[in-house]
Amino acid sequence: NAGVTQTPKFRVLKTGQSMTLLCAQDMNHEYMYWYRQDPGMGLRLIHYSVGEGTTAKGEVPDGYNVSRLKKQNFLLGLESAAPSQTSVYFCASSQPSVYRQETQYFGPGTRLLVL
Amino acid sequence: GQSLEQPSEVTAVEGAIVQMNCTYQTSGFYGLSWYQQHDGGAPTFLSYNALDGLEETGRFSSFLSRSDSYGYLLLQELQMKDSASYFCAVRDKAAGNKLTFGGGTRVLVKP
Repeated sequence: NAGVTQTPKFRVLKTGQSMTLLCAQDMNHEYMYWYRQDPGMGLRLIHYSVGEGTTAKGEVPDGYNVSRLKKQNFLLGLESAAPSQTSVYFCASSQPSVYRQETQYFGPGTRLLVL
Repeated sequence: GQSLEQPSEVTAVEGAIVQMNCTYQTSGFYGLSWYQQHDGGAPTFLSYNALDGLEETGRFSSFLSRSDSYGYLLLQELQMKDSASYFCAVRDKAAGNKLTFGGGTRVLVKP
C-alpha cells in the first residue's frame, strides 16, 4: 500500500495563478483533510471531507476550494494564488472509529512557493 | 474554540529523559493525540489518550489528566533520531470531531 500520496511535491507559482493539489489514498478511508503548515508552526485545517461528495470548511478556508468526487481522491484548488499561501500543504486521511481514537495518516506534503 | 499550548523547544542529551507538556482548552473533549514530525517530513501518529493515566509504548509514554486539561509526552533513553517536532492534538466534539493541533515542541537531542 502506498498510503497517502500527494502531487506535486513542489511548485512555484506567480501571484494570481491557479493550481490544483492532488491527494490520493488507498486505505479506503472515509475522512480526508487538507492542512497547511507555516514555518515553525503547527498544522491548520483548510478543508475536510467526511465522505465521497462531501466537503466542509476548516479553520483557514479562504482562498481555497476542494472537491471529493471519488472516495480515494481529495483535490485542493487555489484559484488565484497569493504570497500568503506560500506554505507546506499536507493531506491526511482517517477512518472514523466508535472508540473515538482516529489516527490520521499524512501524505509527504507539497511545498508551494508563491512569488 | 479550542486552544493548545506547548513549549516551543526542548534540548536534551542522548540517553536522557524529556517531557513535553500540553495544556488545552476545549469543550466536548474526546481525547489527546501526539504526532511526531521530523524536519521535512510528514507528521506520524505516536499515541492517544482518552482516559486519565499513562499509556506506554516502548520508549514513549503519554499521560492525560482530563480534570486539569493537561497531558504530556515522555521520551526515555533519548536517541539522536528523536530530534523532531512533537505536536499534541485534541479531538473536540464541539469542533465536529476534527483534530486541532498545538504549535509543537521542537526537541533537539545532543550527543
